[in-house]
Amino acid sequence: ETGVTQTPRHLVMGMTNKKSLKCEQHLGHNAMYWYKQSAKKPLELMFVYSLEERVENNSVPSRFSPECPNSSHLFLHLHTLQPEDSALYLCASSQDLEAGRDTQYFGPGTRLTVL
Amino acid sequence: SQQGEEDPQALSIQEGENATMNCSYKTSINNLQWYRQNSGRGLVHLILIRSNEREKHSGRLRVTLDTSKKSSSLLITASRAADTASYFCATVGQGGSEKLVFGKGTKLTVNP
Repeated sequence: ETGVTQTPRHLVMGMTNKKSLKCEQHLGHNAMYWYKQSAKKPLELMFVYSLEERVENNSVPSRFSPECPNSSHLFLHLHTLQPEDSALYLCASSQDLEAGRDTQYFGPGTRLTVL
Repeated sequence: SQQGEEDPQALSIQEGENATMNCSYKTSINNLQWYRQNSGRGLVHLILIRSNEREKHSGRLRVTLDTSKKSSSLLITASRAADTASYFCATVGQGGSEKLVFGKGTKLTVNP
């Protein structure tokens, strides 16, 4: 276990649903990340938060809405998704942004299927 | 793009053999990291090599970096069935970026 948990582990949703992914880190880190991993594509960075402030939005569509209420929790709110959004969504954390250049700690991911 | 590209895409070997995976990238880097991912799970950081280093070891892992060729290799010696996983290289560019840029990975299967 890396100290980063994600719930749910699996999620199936229709295109009109609204759902949220949750990430929690128990490492006392100050930076958190959302990544998307699609089949046969490299891992894509979506969002970066540092001390609860968003510092990176990697041209992600507005149907993905992140929220970081405190340094231990990160959410990804989903609404009106498309089937091509089906992927493994990974959360990661690091001590801070600088440390994140050396090592990031990943959660197990949420496998999302959009019907 | 800084993106790393792993080679081969898939590798199947017998237990006890060595496994070598390669990564090429396009721009100057601050460091290069290797991660492992078991099927459908999160990534686990294995080893980091900085741009001024040429070789690093960690247990059965050996990483080399050739900045003139913009390439790195990961060698796993005396492989075990438990090494079966996907292996990704990730690069961090120079200039202060916090981004890790990942390649598509090499899927390693170690047969008992």
